[in-house]
Amino acid sequence: GQNIDQPTEMTATEGAIVQINCTYQTSGFNGLFWYQQHAGEAPTFLSYNVLDGLEEKGRFSSFLSRSKGYSYLLLKELQMKDSASYLCAVLDSNYQLIWGAGTKLIIKP
Amino acid sequence: GAVVSQHPSWVICKSGTSVKIECRSLDFQATTMFWYRQFPKQSLMLMATSNEGSKATYEQGVEKDKFLINHASLTLSTLTVTSAHPEDSSFYICSAPEAGLTYNEQFFGPGTRLTVL
Repeated sequence: GQNIDQPTEMTATEGAIVQINCTYQTSGFNGLFWYQQHAGEAPTFLSYNVLDGLEEKGRFSSFLSRSKGYSYLLLKELQMKDSASYLCAVLDSNYQLIWGAGTKLIIKP
Repeated sequence: GAVVSQHPSWVICKSGTSVKIECRSLDFQATTMFWYRQFPKQSLMLMATSNEGSKATYEQGVEKDKFLINHASLTLSTLTVTSAHPEDSSFYICSAPEAGLTYNEQFFGPGTRLTVL
């Protein structure tokens, strides 16, 4: 079966750095997405990786290792507004998004 | 970026009634739209794939006679929850991939919160 694992909850301090990991086992791979979702709102796109390596976009970076079935989202200079759930999703061989359960990130002052 | 709208944003209805949710792609055409349901503190669960001009494809365990999907045009898909019950109360989100990009990024509507009394 298809499976995506990510931690349920993480806590970090304002101004610090946090890394959210995601491991996946899917039927085929056409890319991995990270989305941010604030409570009661729809997800918003953060990043997309299809090749191995690190993609940097401002305070957020995303890394992918296809051979290990592993990705992480790195958030730097954390701000209170970064408190949200972060969803990892993989596009499988049928171009269907397979979603992880999400990681709730709590930022403390 | 592409914009997807949903209407209504929230709805409260009595048990046994039907509720229609609209999903529109505002500045692009979407031959495919996805309908998700999300219960509190859980991830998105794909309910069905809506295809313009043809029947929707439902995920296992989703009753197609209860969740009616119509994708009559390239910019509009509707989800009708028939004979709603309290257990149908959830956050319903639609999304549409923008064709023509090198990857299928999905753009999400703002969601519809359904409460069935």
